[in-house]
Amino acid sequence: KAGVTQTPRYLIKTRGQQVTLSCSPISGHRSVSWYQQTPGQGLQFLFEYFSETQRNKGNFPGRFSGRQFSNSRSEMNVSTLELGDSALYLCASSLGGGLDKNIQYFGAGTRLSVL
Amino acid sequence: GESVGLHLPTLSVQEGDNSIINCAYSNSASDYFIWYKQESGKGPQFIIDIRSNMDKRQGQRVTVLLNKTVKHLSLQIAATQPGDSAVYFCAEKGAGKSTFGDGTTLTVKP
Repeated sequence: KAGVTQTPRYLIKTRGQQVTLSCSPISGHRSVSWYQQTPGQGLQFLFEYFSETQRNKGNFPGRFSGRQFSNSRSEMNVSTLELGDSALYLCASSLGGGLDKNIQYFGAGTRLSVL
Repeated sequence: GESVGLHLPTLSVQEGDNSIINCAYSNSASDYFIWYKQESGKGPQFIIDIRSNMDKRQGQRVTVLLNKTVKHLSLQIAATQPGDSAVYFCAEKGAGKSTFGDGTTLTVKP
């Protein structure tokens, strides 16, 4: 079974631009979560989608948004990029549902550099 | 808010020795904890989990201990190998999200 796939692996953008990152979860997984990883802040939760609905949201500004499609694939968008948005963005999928104590499987991430 | 932290940012051990990585959490209502391993250039990989109704769980070469009284958990790796070199995170899993600690970098010396 294929793992979580994130595209692209690397991105370079300039301040003020916007960016869209893509995540294909493991087949059969309905929950997709996004995390931002930086050396200073560690792994920070952005949001979680389940069956095309945002179910949980972290403490990030509205410039960060996401969506999930009917096939469970997810995208996240960051508008008006700032230098501080440079990070590794990780997507994780799980079966979801119920109390959702399911194991999350992570992709390799998208490394975003904002110049 | 809740937080999860690790006691030491780095740990260096000799190959073949046992490793112990510690983690403290603040949310006393947390009932599910996970340890992840992240190798360079990869996303975090699940190692082992434990529910709050347990105080110990064993996997292959790994053991997680949970002390709810002091809100502390640890990951023990037996007979540490060079392939164990990575960053280790503990996480508290709530509905739909995991709250991660800062990570401990484990270096295994040959």
